[in-house]
Amino acid sequence: DGGITQSPKYLFRKEGQNVTLSCEQNLNHDAMYWYRQDPGQGLRLIYYSQIVNDFQKGDIAEGYSVSREKKESFPLTVTSAQKNPTAFYLCASSTLTSGRNNEQFFGPGTRLTVL
Amino acid sequence: AQTVTQSQPEMSVQEAETVTLSCTYDTSESDYYLFWYKQPPSRQMILVIRQEAYKQQNATENRFSVNFQKAAKSFSLKISDSQLGDAAMYFCAYRWDSNYQLIWGAGTKLIIKP
Repeated sequence: DGGITQSPKYLFRKEGQNVTLSCEQNLNHDAMYWYRQDPGQGLRLIYYSQIVNDFQKGDIAEGYSVSREKKESFPLTVTSAQKNPTAFYLCASSTLTSGRNNEQFFGPGTRLTVL
Repeated sequence: AQTVTQSQPEMSVQEAETVTLSCTYDTSESDYYLFWYKQPPSRQMILVIRQEAYKQQNATENRFSVNFQKAAKSFSLKISDSQLGDAAMYFCAYRWDSNYQLIWGAGTKLIIKP
């Protein structure tokens, strides 16, 4: 079955540590996205990528970094510079065709907790 | 700047009844898309329904339908014959045609009373 996988489901980090969240898709989508979700708020875009080896900052990129070495993979690193990283992180992907068929598909998410 | 507003943090409805969730948005674009996503307790985000701005006809997917008022910039979701499985957070989202980013509302928690 085609879809998006995220790992791990739960992640605990000590203050000062960098951690990397995995996102893989087998939908052959060109675009991939990382969102952060906090209670009572909508999703906020961290980074997105429309092509391998290229990515753009979203609204809240500070303290995060990404890479896009393969079309299928878009890992997110939460660095020690991110002051409040405890949140739920969602990865999504979509095609880049114009029109209605480029909805975003989502992975199951990773819950990151800073100890 | 484009914004999406969901003014109802929480709604409740009796099972089998109808409920309407509100969403308003602000944009100066003429070509755009609107979406309703559902996030159940599993937290998997699922697309419920989409609406193209150029279409006057309201979108419908089984028990889910929208009331799209382009001039008023309103995009409400109606759920008919509510079921226990409809209990979830519902998010309204907007995308303009020349960009692939989604702008999200804060969400409405829907409670279904048995």
